[in-house]
Amino acid sequence: GAVVSQHPSWVICKSGTSVKIECRSLDFQATTMFWYRQFPKQSLMLMATSNEGSKATYEQGVEKDKFLINHASLTLSTLTVTSAHPEDSSFYICSARDTLSYEQYFGPGTRLTVT
Amino acid sequence: GENVEQHPSTLSVQEGDSAVIKCTYSDSASNYFPWYKQELGKRPQLIIDIRSNVGEKKDQRIAVTLNKTAKHFSLHITETQPEDSAVYFCAASKMSGGFKTIFGAGTRLFVKA
Repeated sequence: GAVVSQHPSWVICKSGTSVKIECRSLDFQATTMFWYRQFPKQSLMLMATSNEGSKATYEQGVEKDKFLINHASLTLSTLTVTSAHPEDSSFYICSARDTLSYEQYFGPGTRLTVT
Repeated sequence: GENVEQHPSTLSVQEGDSAVIKCTYSDSASNYFPWYKQELGKRPQLIIDIRSNVGEKKDQRIAVTLNKTAKHFSLHITETQPEDSAVYFCAASKMSGGFKTIFGAGTRLFVKA
């Protein structure tokens, strides 16, 4: 089946630093990728929709200057959390939509802890 | 805006019984409805999907039905097993462009042995 990788799987950083998370579709092309936050025992909260070659579309309440998204190729999207604060600590999970089948597959997630 | 409601939030069944999870969506233009299973600490996995040109789809013990008129779709799991215990998410999307996928709040399914 289709595979989406995400790196790193976990990261601990100090308040004020920036963290970059990568999301890759390994065996299919993904024109569209999505970034979510998931809090314990809760659903997936969509942060932004990333389209290859164009600017990401952010959901209401998500600061685009804080969560920088780049989708430079059909297999890679990155999320950079800038000037991280403890309240940014969360589980960040990406997904990639197969351009041909339209099926959407999730990465394994990145647990970010800001101290 | 677009919304997907999912019920129940928690479901407990005896092993061997059936489990049904129901979702409703608000955007009548939605035409793709995937279901995901998320086990504790793992990524959501696509288990089945249905497109708006069909009313029912089955894959072994899992089936999904869609009522476009009522904007309802449901997941049916028959002969449940303990390994079916997980959180299940329904979702609605449109099969074109960069449209986002809207997820339901999730149903925590417990299958008791």
